[in-house]
Amino acid sequence: EVRLVESGGGLVKVGGSLRLSCVGSGGSLTNAWMSWVRQAPGKGLEWVGRIKSKRDGETADYSAPVKGRFTISRDDSKNTLDLHMSGLKTEDTALYYCTSDIMDVWGQGTTVTVSS
Amino acid sequence: QSTLTQPASVSGSPGQSITISCTGTSSDVGGYDHVSWFQQHPGKAPKLMIYDVTNRASGVSDRFSGSKSGNTASLTISGLQAEDEADYYCNSYTDSGARVFGGGTKVTVL
Repeated sequence: EVRLVESGGGLVKVGGSLRLSCVGSGGSLTNAWMSWVRQAPGKGLEWVGRIKSKRDGETADYSAPVKGRFTISRDDSKNTLDLHMSGLKTEDTALYYCTSDIMDVWGQGTTVTVSS
Repeated sequence: QSTLTQPASVSGSPGQSITISCTGTSSDVGGYDHVSWFQQHPGKAPKLMIYDVTNRASGVSDRFSGSKSGNTASLTISGLQAEDEADYYCNSYTDSGARVFGGGTKVTVL
């Protein structure tokens, strides 16, 4: 079974940038559509975005709050998924999860804190 | 896109059945059979319970079942057990190609 591990979280100031990474082990992510989901402290789950597989065009879709600021990319040779975040806002503070598009596999999450 | 509407809380006694609703629009829940349900215990990652409206994920008890009517999807937990106490979220595919979650429902076992 595929295992996902996120990294790259941390403390960043408003307007700053951060790159989160997710590496898969125990199986290939090459043909999988992959998503990022976040959860603000004490709040519910929020879908951030998704990237299709290379064979399906490798295009990405994003939620309205992050569109234009966040970019999802993938490197199938490294079995990794990245979330590039820029123009960060305090409301982007959350635990960020990497997951498959159908969300049957989840990482443990990495925490992003945006301070003013 | 707005979140899907779920009741904030639902409770039941052990052995009872409870149902959690998830209401969207014809652009999401009503338009596609791609509704999923997730269980999340405190401090843990979400766990897929139901996908494509009615299909149980691998290893999920048959006490969990899903259904949909119009723009509303539902998750029913039968034979409620203490371990079922958790937060539950629905999720749907949407017209724009994005996915959207419900606000979450806290299930309490009395």
